[in-house]
This record gives sequence, structure tokens and C-alpha cells, in this order.
Amino acid sequence: GEDVEQSLFLSVREGDSSVINCTYTDSSSTYLYWYKQEPGAGLQLLTYIFSNMDMKQDQRLTVLLNKKDKHLSLRIADTQTGDSAIYFCAESINDYKLSFGAGTTVTVRA
Amino acid sequence: DAMVIQNPRYQVTQFGKPVTLSCSQTLNHNVMYWYQQKSSQAPKLLFHYYDKDFNNEADTPDNFQSRRPNTSFCFLDIRSPGLGDAAMYLCATSRGRGRYEQYFGPGTRLTVT
Repeated sequence: GEDVEQSLFLSVREGDSSVINCTYTDSSSTYLYWYKQEPGAGLQLLTYIFSNMDMKQDQRLTVLLNKKDKHLSLRIADTQTGDSAIYFCAESINDYKLSFGAGTTVTVRA
Repeated sequence: DAMVIQNPRYQVTQFGKPVTLSCSQTLNHNVMYWYQQKSSQAPKLLFHYYDKDFNNEADTPDNFQSRRPNTSFCFLDIRSPGLGDAAMYLCATSRGRGRYEQYFGPGTRLTVT
């Protein structure tokens, strides 16, 4: 299957941590990705994780992967106003195709 | 700066009137993709080129065609746009297949009247 599901909205206070969750269906996915889309812009790759990893940390970003539950999460530490955007989870279906979720709109409030 | 450029950013066309969207890249990447993204939905892959090799997704309507005259340019042709084709169209490139990042352009928002 190629269904990737995410919650649609997240509101977080500036300085708090944000956690965006995603579930996917293809257990053979090799890579899982997080993309960010700001208004009027294209998708920007934030980070990715290889399927044999449980966790990856990159500055303020932490990705957790639970393969058993097919659950992926992105944690943004010390969320800033510039983090307001739509975040897309994606899984690799084959060597060229990505299957995206519908995106989570993150709103950072002061 | 190397980048993926899409023109125009906004396109209005009439029902049934052919329209062409353009994508160019300065990254010299081998692979170019076209995605359709409807409001509040996931981007959906329409097709991709690996060099000159065209790869259509099974569920892409025949109404959508693509051309890649050279490495740098790729076009999306919609032969007879319907109201249901109104969407954001995203172009992306990658160096190759497999574990290569896809670089996205800003998209073209298509309105069909």
C-alpha cells in the first residue's frame, strides 16, 4: 500500500517542542523523509532516515522511527516562528517514487 | 545559485484550452519529476524522466503529457484542462534514482475557468 497519514494541524507555543506524527503502510520502504513547505515555496527536504535506523538527530530536529508500528515522528526543539509551515512525511516506494502524506500545518504562536 | 525554476508561478486557462507549464533546472540532474498537488492533499507523482526515458505513472490521465527536450528543461502539457485539473503543479529533480534528494521548484498554481 502507499498510504501515508498525518494529522492535519498542530499549534505550538514559541520555544516549546513540536512533535509531528506520521504512519505509513509500505514495510519495504527503504527511506523515510520529512519535507517542509513554506507559503509560496516548493518542498524542501528537512531530513531523512534509513529504515534500519531508530533515531536520527540533526540540530533541532529529531526523527524517530518505529518500524514495527510503521510510525515516524519529527520533533522540533525550541520551535521558532520561522518553523511555521506545512510538514510532509514521505516514504520511498521504489527507487524513484515517493508517497507523501497530506501534510501537517504547524502554527507557532507567540 | 543552482535551482529548480518553474514558470509561470500562476496560470489561468479556460476549460478545454491546452496549457503548458515549464520547469528548468541548473543542477544538471538526470531525473525530472512532475507532481500534482490539490488543495490540502499530498503531492501525487504524474511522471518522471530519467535522462530521456519517460516513465508514466499508471493512474496518470492521458490528458497529461510531458516533454524533455534537453537536460535542463521539462514541460507539462495538459491537452484539455478540466475543472478537476486545477491544482499546484510541482517540478522536482534528483541526481539519480535511489537515495538522492529530490529538489523541488516553487510550483505553478493552475486555475481552470
